[in-house]
Amino acid sequence: AQSVTQPDIHITVSEGASLELRCNYSYGATPYLFWYVQSPGQGLQLLLKYFSGDTLVQGIKGFEAEFKRSQSSFNLRKPSVHWSDAAEYFCAVGDYGGATNKLIFGTGTLLAVQP
Amino acid sequence: EAGVTQSPTHLIKTRGQQATLRCSPISGHTSVYWYQQALGLGLQFLLWYDEGEERNRGNFPPRFSGRQFPNYSSELNVNALELEDSALYLCASSLRQGTGELFFGEGSRLTVL
Repeated sequence: AQSVTQPDIHITVSEGASLELRCNYSYGATPYLFWYVQSPGQGLQLLLKYFSGDTLVQGIKGFEAEFKRSQSSFNLRKPSVHWSDAAEYFCAVGDYGGATNKLIFGTGTLLAVQP
Repeated sequence: EAGVTQSPTHLIKTRGQQATLRCSPISGHTSVYWYQQALGLGLQFLLWYDEGEERNRGNFPPRFSGRQFPNYSSELNVNALELEDSALYLCASSLRQGTGELFFGEGSRLTVL
């Protein structure tokens, strides 16, 4: 069955430091992969997505992610974190075909940014 | 362009009661999805509606149900509420044959006492 694993439940980084959030997926075919961000009390906002092509994808707010098929990973990165990046981040894989059409989410990584 | 809108923002019920949550998708989107986000459990897929039909449901009991109206808006009904139904319920919409990206509303927080 398709699944997404985010190994880090909680991460704290200093403002200005680099960030990498890990995501591993399990999917039989070429995956459609997403990263969403959820600020407190808010819905989810799409940061970036990968469907095919260049394995390094750029998103909004200075985020990028790299698809590595050999490692079944889709890690999210940002070179310099801002205090406003404090939020919860969710990785997701698209589960399509037949009667199914949904995103399967990981359990999320809560990012704290310290001054 | 208006995004996905959900109502009510907050809802407080007691055990055994029924709750109804509503969702209006982005104009032009025919698919509506419901997810439950309970504390510590991440986002769990509940239901997918498209063109007025229920297309798929997650691993939830039948007391979770809903429908999609001709204007593509949707409502989620939860009957016989239990304490563990307390959660943020997120609605999302997408194009039926789109890129798979879901656009989320800000959610309805249901508290069951």
